[in-house]
Amino acid sequence: GAGVSQTPSNKVTEKGKYVELRCDPISGHTALYWYRQSLGQGPEFLIYFQGTGAADDSGLPNDRFFAVRPEGSVSTLKIQRTERGDSAVYLCASSLTAGGNTEAFFGQGTRLTVV
Amino acid sequence: AQSVTQLDSQVPVFEEAPVELRCNYSSSVSVYLFWYVQYPNQGLQLLLKYLSGSTLVESINGFEAEFNKSQTSFHLRKPSVHISDTAEYFCAVSEIGGNTPLVFGKGTRLSVIA
Repeated sequence: GAGVSQTPSNKVTEKGKYVELRCDPISGHTALYWYRQSLGQGPEFLIYFQGTGAADDSGLPNDRFFAVRPEGSVSTLKIQRTERGDSAVYLCASSLTAGGNTEAFFGQGTRLTVV
Repeated sequence: AQSVTQLDSQVPVFEEAPVELRCNYSSSVSVYLFWYVQYPNQGLQLLLKYLSGSTLVESINGFEAEFNKSQTSFHLRKPSVHISDTAEYFCAVSEIGGNTPLVFGKGTRLSVIA
């Protein structure tokens, strides 16, 4: 596709369940980022990939959160034992390369609601 | 580490009036500066950026921002707003020379009133 695609657009899950959020980056983009945006806040960095490897996962809040990008394209953010505080919009972005001067293109996000 | 402060969470303004959205940052290293916009029900889009050179940068839809190093600011301005400018605006920074992700402010919701 032409842009970054995230699925599902909305996800409602029960507390304690496991969820997976998917991101399809722009074709050819080697860098992929995950952010979390809570109500009234700006996007907060979670993790970024350069190719298949996680170059920086310092933003993951705890070990319930994990992300993979096995073939250097699609990425999946996985959340175990979800809690109500995990409710937020999860944003994915990709850029041609890593580097602060390279434009990041964002998807529309997945709105996760934990009930 | 970097941080970004957007002083106003909401800015209401009448159509055709000027607007300024404020952004200040803190960083121990030199940074690139960005403004992103999020229109209702859409993803974040890059509005403009400062990488180097002229401290005044412009977007294609009439916004401009000026990098002020001494005041560590990157305020966004438009001389005459339109209804279609109603959106959430986010200021962001990233470290020059590092492969570090964007650090965002909390955002400013601009509401243009007819």
